[in-house]
Amino acid sequence: EPEVTQTPSHQVTQMGQEVILRCVPISNHLYFYWYRQILGQKVEFLVSFYNNEISEKSEIFDDQFSVERPDGSNFTLKIRSTKLEDSAMYFCASRPRQGAYDEQFFGPGTRLTVL
Amino acid sequence: AQSVTQPDIHITVSEGASLELRCNYSYGATPYLFWYVQSPGQGLQLLLKYFSGDTLVQGIKGFEAEFKRSQSSFNLRKPSVHWSDAAEYFCALNTGTASKLTFGTGTRLQVTL
Repeated sequence: EPEVTQTPSHQVTQMGQEVILRCVPISNHLYFYWYRQILGQKVEFLVSFYNNEISEKSEIFDDQFSVERPDGSNFTLKIRSTKLEDSAMYFCASRPRQGAYDEQFFGPGTRLTVL
Repeated sequence: AQSVTQPDIHITVSEGASLELRCNYSYGATPYLFWYVQSPGQGLQLLLKYFSGDTLVQGIKGFEAEFKRSQSSFNLRKPSVHWSDAAEYFCALNTGTASKLTFGTGTRLQVTL
């Protein structure tokens, strides 16, 4: 069964460093998302991406964040200068088409620890 | 703005007992509602969803949920819990005007043998 994959599973970085979190969505999906979950808090929407551009972003997704689909398979989230408060679990998700009732398929997450 | 509340952070049930996980939402119209489950080291897996029609929806792994508009609730139920059901459960909604999901804080289910 096709699934969303994410690498690495755990990333440790120093404050101020750049990190890139990688996701491989399901191959025929068209819509891509990043969410994050700070320990003990809700899963929060960061950004959605369609047709090679951001379709929606949350207040969290400021200038320090960017997303890219550099080829036909990968979908990346870059944090340019990490802060302590960026420590969280980051989930990638994909969906085959638009439609609020359609399921988003989630990856296992990348745990980012900023020291 | 829409929101989802899961009042129970942690629930413990005995194997074979029934289960109900609560979810309340805040939104002015009928939302699209989802229950996801996350096992350790795994991604979020969809259990079931509601968007119209019959207010009692069946999902995978023997779960069901009932949408009650009057109570703004979408509680998840299972008649007999198995030890493998131990996981974190998330209720989420999508209002249809955007594709993003709004999640509750999750309920961690522990199953005792």
